[in-house]
Formats: sequence, C-alpha cells, structure tokens
Amino acid sequence: EMQLVESGGVVVQPGGSLRLSCAASGFTFDDYDMHWVRQPPGKGLEWVSLITWDGRSPYYADSVKGRFTISRDNSKNSLYLQMNSLRTEDTALYYCAKNRANAFDIWGQGTMVTVSS
Amino acid sequence: DIQMTQSPSTLSASVGDRVTITCRASQSISSWLAWYQQKPGKAPKLLIYKASSLESGVPSRFSGSGSGTEFSLTINSLQPDDFATYYCQQCKSYPYIFGQGTKLEL
Repeated sequence: EMQLVESGGVVVQPGGSLRLSCAASGFTFDDYDMHWVRQPPGKGLEWVSLITWDGRSPYYADSVKGRFTISRDNSKNSLYLQMNSLRTEDTALYYCAKNRANAFDIWGQGTMVTVSS
Repeated sequence: DIQMTQSPSTLSASVGDRVTITCRASQSISSWLAWYQQKPGKAPKLLIYKASSLESGVPSRFSGSGSGTEFSLTINSLQPDDFATYYCQQCKSYPYIFGQGTKLEL
C-alpha cells in the first residue's frame, strides 16, 4: 500500500525555524516528483512547493519563496521542508503529496504547524 | 500565475440529485486540471485528473469535463458519502493553484 507519513509539526514562535519530514513507502520513491501543500485551519488548500524526482529542481509558491527549502533523500525515501523566518500566516496543516500525471494521487495525513507567540 | 475561480462556494443538494461544480482558469490550461474531494479531518482525495480521467477506485458517478479555461465536475445520483468539499486545481504550470472549494451540503 502506498503511504506518506508526515512529521515534525509543532508550535513555534514567529521568526523561528522548523523542518518537516515525510516518509514514503509502498512505491518507488525516486520515480516521482513530490509536493508540499498546506491548509490553514478552516480554509482552503494552498500549494507550497515541488521537488523533482532527482532533487535537482525545486519550485515554490511566492508566499514561501526565500524562506522555505524543499529537499529529498531518495536513499531514505524521505521528503523534507525546511521552514525559516516563520510567520503567523504559515500556521496550517502541512501535507506531502505524490505527483502522478500532474495530479496529486497520494497524500499523507498532514502535520500541524502553529506559529504563535 | 494562473488563477482558478470555482463556483458555487456552497451547494445544497439531496441524495439522488445530479450536481455540477464549475471551475474557470484565468488562461488556458489545456486539460491540465484535477478535482479532489476532502472530508472533515481528512486529506484530500484525487477524483479526476487531466480534466476527465477518473482515478482508479473512484465511483463512475463522478465525471469531469472541459478544456482550455472552463471545466466542470458532475456527480450523478448523489450518495450520502459524497457530501464533502471539492477543489479544482490547475496542473499546467507552477504554482499549481487550487480553486477556493465548493462545500456540498445536504
């Protein structure tokens, strides 16, 4: 069974840093581009970032560009999101998702990031 | 960036109804559109990709259509399990923006 499990979400102060992880299983991880998507409480979905299968090409939403860094370790079947200079508006449930045919076919359960003083 | 406008934001319906949700892109995205269903406290679930391709395991009462800038998701014969929030997403170019969502309620 294909599965994604996120971890690392906590309460952090504005200006702080955090690294999220996403562990993949049940599929050949390095065959697929991977994404991060977030959802603020009670609101809609926002695409955050993509990394290509080989880790060479990252893409970011303007709202996080320069503050967040996506990476992956294909030897560990893991995806990461390094989040720096966190703002209150970054408070959200963060999902990792697998890309297939330019859609997101597998999603994790999400990890909650709360930015608050 | 390509913006997505989804309507309606809320849709009231009954079991057995046929409903349609629409999504409009600010510029042509060919057929690069996906539809997702999300239930409270759960991750989104892929229903339709490439505008009209049904994801494996998704009931055939769900269908997608459209190309260019106008798209729709139709649910035939609504079932109790279908009451949820639905999102469209353009998948042509980054950022892969989602629509605002449509809450389908009883």
